Amino acid sequence: EVQLVESGGGLVQPGASLKLSCVASGFTFSDYWMSWVRQTPGKTMEWIGDIKYDGSYTNYAPSLKNRFTISRDNAKSTLYLQMSNVRSEDTATYYCTRRVGLDYWGQGVMVTVSS
Amino acid sequence: DVVMTQTPVSLSVSLGGQVSISCRSSQSLVHNNGNTYLSWYLQKPGQSPQLLIYKVSNRFSGISDRFSGSGSGTDFTLKISRVEPDDLGVYYCGQGTQYPPTFGGGTKLELK
Repeated sequence: EVQLVESGGGLVQPGASLKLSCVASGFTFSDYWMSWVRQTPGKTMEWIGDIKYDGSYTNYAPSLKNRFTISRDNAKSTLYLQMSNVRSEDTATYYCTRRVGLDYWGQGVMVTVSS
Repeated sequence: DVVMTQTPVSLSVSLGGQVSISCRSSQSLVHNNGNTYLSWYLQKPGQSPQLLIYKVSNRFSGISDRFSGSGSGTDFTLKISRVEPDDLGVYYCGQGTQYPPTFGGGTKLELK
């Protein structure tokens, strides 16, 4: 059974940094591109970016490219999202997904940016 | 970015009934390779989204044949027949043809 489990969320102050993790199981992690998607409190879905199966290539939403970094550790079957200089508009639930059709999603992790 | 417009925003249905949800894209979703990367997702209350349909009309593993997708180019439709209680939630369309992938605003399916 494919499972994606995110962690690392919480309350963070504006301007701070935060790193989210997503541990994958039930499939060969190193065979798949992976993505991050977020959902705002108003339920708008926004694609953040994705990363190639070997970690050699990434794509980002243009509006987030300078502040968010996606990486992975295939030995640990783990996907990461490094968020820097966070803003109130980054408040959302963050999901990791398999990139192919966004076919499997984690349970999500909430990030709240507030002073 | 490709703008995805879903209608209606909300829908009321009786159990056992049938509904259709429309999704329109601001640009053609036909990829250079000939595929059309239009998907449908259902987010049940308190849960993460789940994939229902991919590439317009292909049901994902384990998805009931009560769900069907159709359309081409910029106009797409999700039909749900014999609606069951477990079908309630918010439906999203999404495109993966052009970067960045984008989603519709969602259609909330409720009981009448």
